[in-house]
Amino acid sequence: GQNIDQPTEMTATEGAIVQINCTYQTSGFNGLFWYQQHAGEAPTFLSYNVLDGLEEKGRFSSFLSRSKGYSYLLLKELQMKDSASYLCAVRDLNYQLIWGAGTKLIIKP
Amino acid sequence: IAGITQAPTSQILAAGRRMTLRCTQDMRHNAMYWYRQDLGLGLRLIHYSNTAGTTGKGEVPDGYSVSRANTDDFPLTLASAVPSQTSVYFCASSDREYNEQFFGPGTRLTVL
Repeated sequence: GQNIDQPTEMTATEGAIVQINCTYQTSGFNGLFWYQQHAGEAPTFLSYNVLDGLEEKGRFSSFLSRSKGYSYLLLKELQMKDSASYLCAVRDLNYQLIWGAGTKLIIKP
Repeated sequence: IAGITQAPTSQILAAGRRMTLRCTQDMRHNAMYWYRQDLGLGLRLIHYSNTAGTTGKGEVPDGYSVSRANTDDFPLTLASAVPSQTSVYFCASSDREYNEQFFGPGTRLTVL
């Protein structure tokens, strides 16, 4: 079966660093995406990993280990505007995205 | 138009009624998708289209139909709405099926 697991909710402090984990078990793997979704809004693309390792993009980085079925999104220098849900999605061999339920990140001052 | 638009923004519908959700993109993207998003669940794919003139079924296609007559438009029709179709519906597009997807603002549908 297809399964993507993320923590339901996390809390962090403004200015700090937070790591959001995503583990997956899918019948095929063709890349992993992270999206950000503010409440009441559409998801927006953050990052994409298809090879093992770390991809850095400003304050956000994403890591992938295909052998472990594991990814994380690292957010540095947290700002209040980073309060949102973060969605992990795995692309299968048919190029369809399988989505996790998302992690709601709460930033406290 | 810039990006993807969806209409209506929200709708309350009586069970048994027919409803079409509209989606239009101006990015000339080949691939388009319809998802539903329910609390506590990930986005679930309803139908997709990799190019104009073709469509395919996603994870939860029952009770929904789509058409793709041209590149820009991808309407989703509920033939006879049921309360379990109460959800937020997102349309998305990508230039190729293997690239990142861009999402419309969503339609909040309530079926009573």
